[in-house]
Amino acid sequence: GAGVSQSPSNKVTEKGKDVELRCDPISGHTALYWYRQSLGQGLEFLIYFQGNSAPDKSGLPSDRFSAERTGGSVSTLTIQRTQQEDSAVYLCASRTGGAGSYEQYFGPGTRLTVT
Amino acid sequence: AQKVTQAQTEISVVEKEDVTLDCVYETRDTTYYLFWYKQPPSGELVFLIRRNSFDEQNEISGRYSWNFQKSTSSFNFTITASQVVDSAVYFCALSEGYTGANSKLTFGKGITLSVRP
Repeated sequence: GAGVSQSPSNKVTEKGKDVELRCDPISGHTALYWYRQSLGQGLEFLIYFQGNSAPDKSGLPSDRFSAERTGGSVSTLTIQRTQQEDSAVYLCASRTGGAGSYEQYFGPGTRLTVT
Repeated sequence: AQKVTQAQTEISVVEKEDVTLDCVYETRDTTYYLFWYKQPPSGELVFLIRRNSFDEQNEISGRYSWNFQKSTSSFNFTITASQVVDSAVYFCALSEGYTGANSKLTFGKGITLSVRP
């Protein structure tokens, strides 16, 4: 079946611009995660959605970052007023959310470059 | 706070050699899960294995094996008879809590494995 998909695969933007990154989780997966992978910080958790529960935003680095998940499926990560330190690969993962499900399945990522 | 340490940063071996990737974790929870992921040059993280804190049985899957030892808080990964296709970055990760809890992953810094022909 189809895996997690993310778009765009690459995004170059100018400092100060807003960007939106999209994630389509595996069909039927109720849990969705965003992570960021950068050379300096490694892989970092950003935000987590589970069903209709309030998202866990504890990993968002600043209030310039926000995310939403519409209809329990597609998610969008928005970065406002981008800074050069936002340059990284943004990874989305999904999980079934049911009992016994622990593995997260990752998408190919969006490489964001802020110039 | 949870933490995962992968002290090795880069390992280079010749094909057919065995190689062990080390992972040490820290957590205050009694229920937790450990994972290994592979990130090949293509970039996509691939799930390899999950273990829970109540099951210390070692696991073997083909050329891959995992050794989980709670006494040393380690979850090491061995590749037997390595192949060039094993070249990748390998991440160890930890999540705490029961199913339905946050289950966010805390990753180690990763180990870059290069297998030379």
